[in-house]
Amino acid sequence: EVQLVESGGGLVQPGGSLRLSCAASGFTFSTYWMSWVRQTPGKGPEWVTNIKQDGTEIYYVDSVKGRFTISRDNAKNSLYLQMNSLRAEDTAVYYCATGPYSGDFAYWGQGTLVTVSS
Amino acid sequence: QTVVTQGPSFSVSPGGTVTLTCGLSSGSVSTSHYPSWYQQTPGQAPRTLIYSTNTRSSGVPDRFSGSILGNKAALTITGAQADDESDYYCVLYMGSGLWVFGGGTKLTVL
Repeated sequence: EVQLVESGGGLVQPGGSLRLSCAASGFTFSTYWMSWVRQTPGKGPEWVTNIKQDGTEIYYVDSVKGRFTISRDNAKNSLYLQMNSLRAEDTAVYYCATGPYSGDFAYWGQGTLVTVSS
Repeated sequence: QTVVTQGPSFSVSPGGTVTLTCGLSSGSVSTSHYPSWYQQTPGQAPRTLIYSTNTRSSGVPDRFSGSILGNKAALTITGAQADDESDYYCVLYMGSGLWVFGGGTKLTVL
């Protein structure tokens, strides 16, 4: 069974940092593109970033460029999101997800809540 | 900045047919955008229904279908059931590795 388990969320002050982790199991992690998608309650999801299987291609939504860094450790079946210079508008549930492949974010974790507030 | 547009809400009777659409604030949606559709119920992560315009995800009932209608992507539910009452989101590929979700459509079945 495919499992994605996010951790590392919490309350942080504006300008602060957090590192999210996503532990993957039940599939061959090293063969999948991986993404972070966030969602504010009552709003649609927002794709944030993704990373190729070997880490050689990475993409970010404009609003997080220069502040967020995605990375992966295929030996540990883990995905990470380093978030710096956090803003109130970064408050959301952050999901890790496989893909996308032709638009298919096939598997999702349960999400971890990040709250940026003073 | 191009926005992905979806109607805010829709209502359908049980057994009825409904078509939800996904457009662009500027331009037309095509297969090159790999339009994909997600269903989300409260407290759950989104679930893929359709990807790459019209490919049904594994386990999705065939009452869900995807297409391009005019200048928009479309999700059609034929024979709506009570448990289809959910939020539906589309996502489009905008090029250069970037993906954008729409704001969603809330579907009521009554």
